[in-house]
Amino acid sequence: EVQLVESGGGLVQPGEALRLSCAASGFTLITSDMNWVRQAPGKGLEWISFISGATGATYYADSVKGRFTISRDSAKNSLYLQMNSLRGEDTGVYYCSQDKFAAWGQGTLVTVSS
Amino acid sequence: DVVMTQSPLSLPVTLGQSASISCRSSESLVYSDGNSYVIWFQQRPGQSPRRLINKASDREFGVPDRFSGSGSGIDFTLKISRVEAEDVGVYYCMQGSRWPWTFGQGTKVEIK
Repeated sequence: EVQLVESGGGLVQPGEALRLSCAASGFTLITSDMNWVRQAPGKGLEWISFISGATGATYYADSVKGRFTISRDSAKNSLYLQMNSLRGEDTGVYYCSQDKFAAWGQGTLVTVSS
Repeated sequence: DVVMTQSPLSLPVTLGQSASISCRSSESLVYSDGNSYVIWFQQRPGQSPRRLINKASDREFGVPDRFSGSGSGIDFTLKISRVEAEDVGVYYCMQGSRWPWTFGQGTKVEIK
């Protein structure tokens, strides 16, 4: 069974950094397409980043390009999202999702506030 | 960026009746392989999203056949036949044909 468990969220101040993790089980993460999607409180879904299982190519939403970096670790079967220069509008629940969004984690909450 | 416009944004439905959600894109979503990469999701209150429909009309394994997707190009529809209480939630369309991928605003389905 595919399982995704996000961690690393928390309260940070504007301008600070945070790294989110997504631990995968039931499949080999490095050969799967993976995404990060976020949801601001009471708002809709926003796709923010993708990494290709086949090529490692990465894509980002304009709202996070240059500040966020998606990566993965085959030994740990985990996905990461390095978030730098955080802003208030980055507040929300961050989800990792596998293989064209077939599976989702439970999400981790990031709050950016002074 | 491709804009996905859903309508309606709120949809009160009587139990047992059908519901239809429209999603219109700002440009054609037909990919080079002929597919339109539109996905429909359901998000029940307090839960993570769940994929219902892939490639505009392919129902996910385990999703009730009350749910169906249709469309190609710029116009897409999610239909729920015989709405049940468990169908309450927010439904989103998303396009995966053009970078950056984009979601619709969401349609809240509630029982009258």
